[in-house]
Amino acid sequence: DAKTTQPTSMDCAEGRAANLPCNHSTISGNEYVYWYRQIHSQGPQYIIHGLKNNETNEMASLIITEDRKSSTLILPHATLRDTAVYYCIVSDLKTSYDKVIFGPGTSLSVIP
Amino acid sequence: GAVVSQHPSWVICKSGTSVKIECRSLDFQATTMFWYRQFPKQSLMLMATSNEGSKATYEQGVEKDKFLINHASLTLSTLTVTSAHPEDSSFYICSASHPPYEQYFGPGTRLTVT
Repeated sequence: DAKTTQPTSMDCAEGRAANLPCNHSTISGNEYVYWYRQIHSQGPQYIIHGLKNNETNEMASLIITEDRKSSTLILPHATLRDTAVYYCIVSDLKTSYDKVIFGPGTSLSVIP
Repeated sequence: GAVVSQHPSWVICKSGTSVKIECRSLDFQATTMFWYRQFPKQSLMLMATSNEGSKATYEQGVEKDKFLINHASLTLSTLTVTSAHPEDSSFYICSASHPPYEQYFGPGTRLTVT
């Protein structure tokens, strides 16, 4: 699986958009970009994934650059409950055997 | 979305004893489940892949005789920490594969060995 690089930590004001970047310059053509988050002492929670088009769901938007070498997760109106570690993962999870390998992630702190 | 549960949510055991952690997929069948370990302020580390009806596949450096994995049905995988020691104290998390494209994670089990 391709390696990802994320900032170690970020702050965001409550109510503002949180933009979390991820670099994945070695991504291959069949690999998807996944985002998970982990709130303290809980299991990871799936947020969103995409291949090459921008994606949006009820939680977030995912913007993938045209060359697919980087992406940005956008939480449009961050709340205190969005404080968590956010993991960007590149993988080809098409079969049941495909693993999710976590990097260090970005620790997002939403500030009142 | 699909739900994965773990039991117990926390457990305290004495050094030298064994403890079993259960991981269940509640509303889907999972031929493959994964076990992770997470130490404080660190990321999740994949320990092993649990395959229904066959032996688990362990990641490099994980002792298979210490961390026994059984995946006896399509909805249940168990992790047994044998002869536990204080250094085994950690947060253990399982996930279940729901192809294509998604994995779902359990809430985790906090193990403390005294």
